[in-house]
Amino acid sequence: DVNLVESGGGLVRPGGSLRLSCAASGFTFKTYWMSWVRQRPGKGLEWVATIKHDGSQDYYVDSVKGRFIASRDNVNNLLYLQMSSLRVDDTAFYYCARGGTNVYWGQGALVTVSS
Amino acid sequence: VLTQSPSASASLGASVKLTCTLSSGHASYAVTWHQQLPEKGPRFLMAVNSDGSHNKGDGIPDRFSASASGAERYLTISSLQSEDEADYYCQTWDSGIYWVFGGGTKLTVL
Repeated sequence: DVNLVESGGGLVRPGGSLRLSCAASGFTFKTYWMSWVRQRPGKGLEWVATIKHDGSQDYYVDSVKGRFIASRDNVNNLLYLQMSSLRVDDTAFYYCARGGTNVYWGQGALVTVSS
Repeated sequence: VLTQSPSASASLGASVKLTCTLSSGHASYAVTWHQQLPEKGPRFLMAVNSDGSHNKGDGIPDRFSASASGAERYLTISSLQSEDEADYYCQTWDSGIYWVFGGGTKLTVL
């Protein structure tokens, strides 16, 4: 079975940094594009970033460009989201997701940016 | 790119049809539907193409089906149960890369 498990969430001060991880299993990780999607409290789903299967290209929503970096380790089946210069409005649940014919979601990691 | 009604309601045991409308120029796009139960993460329900063909996610009951007409994509839930009360999101890909979500429809089961 496909399984995606995020970790690394927590409380961070504005301007701080945090790295989320997503451990993938149950599919050939290196062949799939992977994405990060977030959900601010009480709001809808918002795409954050996507990284190609081989890590050669990544794409971001405008609001995080220059602050967030997606990367991956295709040997250990890990997806990362390095977040820096964090703002209060980055507070959200962050989900990793696998695209393709069927979409799979992780359970989410809560990032709280607050002073 | 994607428009959904903010809310919908239907009675227990009835059917409900949720609509996701693609903006001009995107009418041929496939769409995926996702369910989000209260306090839970999203769950993939199914993908639907412009011709109405669709594929379901793992373990999705037959009560859930999808269809399409023009720029509209539909999710139909029949024999509504209380556990179907959730937020439902449609999603597509702009330029084949950028995920785009509808605003979500909050379904209330009466």
